[in-house]
Amino acid sequence: AQSVTQLGSHVSVSEGALVLLRCNYSSSVPPYLFWYVQYPNQGLQLLLKYTSAATLVKGINGFEAEFKKSETSFHLTKPSAHMSDAAEYFCAVSEQNNDMRFGAGTRLTVKP
Amino acid sequence: KAGVTQTPRYLIKTRGQQVTLSCSPISGHRSVSWYQQTPGQGLQFLFEYFSETQRNKGNFPGRFSGRQFSNSRSEMNVSTLELGDSALYLCASSLAGSASYNEQFFGPGTRLTVL
Repeated sequence: AQSVTQLGSHVSVSEGALVLLRCNYSSSVPPYLFWYVQYPNQGLQLLLKYTSAATLVKGINGFEAEFKKSETSFHLTKPSAHMSDAAEYFCAVSEQNNDMRFGAGTRLTVKP
Repeated sequence: KAGVTQTPRYLIKTRGQQVTLSCSPISGHRSVSWYQQTPGQGLQFLFEYFSETQRNKGNFPGRFSGRQFSNSRSEMNVSTLELGDSALYLCASSLAGSASYNEQFFGPGTRLTVL
């Protein structure tokens, strides 16, 4: 069965600094990978998804992620953090039939 | 286009009671998935319904059940509530079919508190 590991439950960066949130996956078949963001008291919003079309995926709000099969990774990055990026981020993997499995989440804090 | 709606948004129940949560998917979406989110266990997949049939099921006891209606609206039921059932229950909808690359659109969730 597929699974996701997010390294670091909390990440803190300064405003304007690089954001790097790590995600490693396990899957027996070529996976579909997703990054979602959750703001307090809200549902999840899709940032970006990998569906095998291109290894570098660009998403909303300036985020992007690179699929590296050799490293089984799908890390999320943003060149310059903004205060509004403070939220919880979830990496997810799906193999079939919308059976999506989420990582434990990474809470991003942005310091002024 | 209206997003995924969940009702009620907040709910307080006592142990032993049962509860029913409702989810209305985005118009045209035929798949509805349910998740439980808790601080300790994170986001856990409960089940997915497609065309009124349960297609996938997570690792939850039989007290958790669901159904989907012909208009794709879905309900989730939890019987004999336990304190550990306190959680944010999220519903997500996606387009038809078995394509796992279909984006799931999430509702705002129902916050269930069991006293």
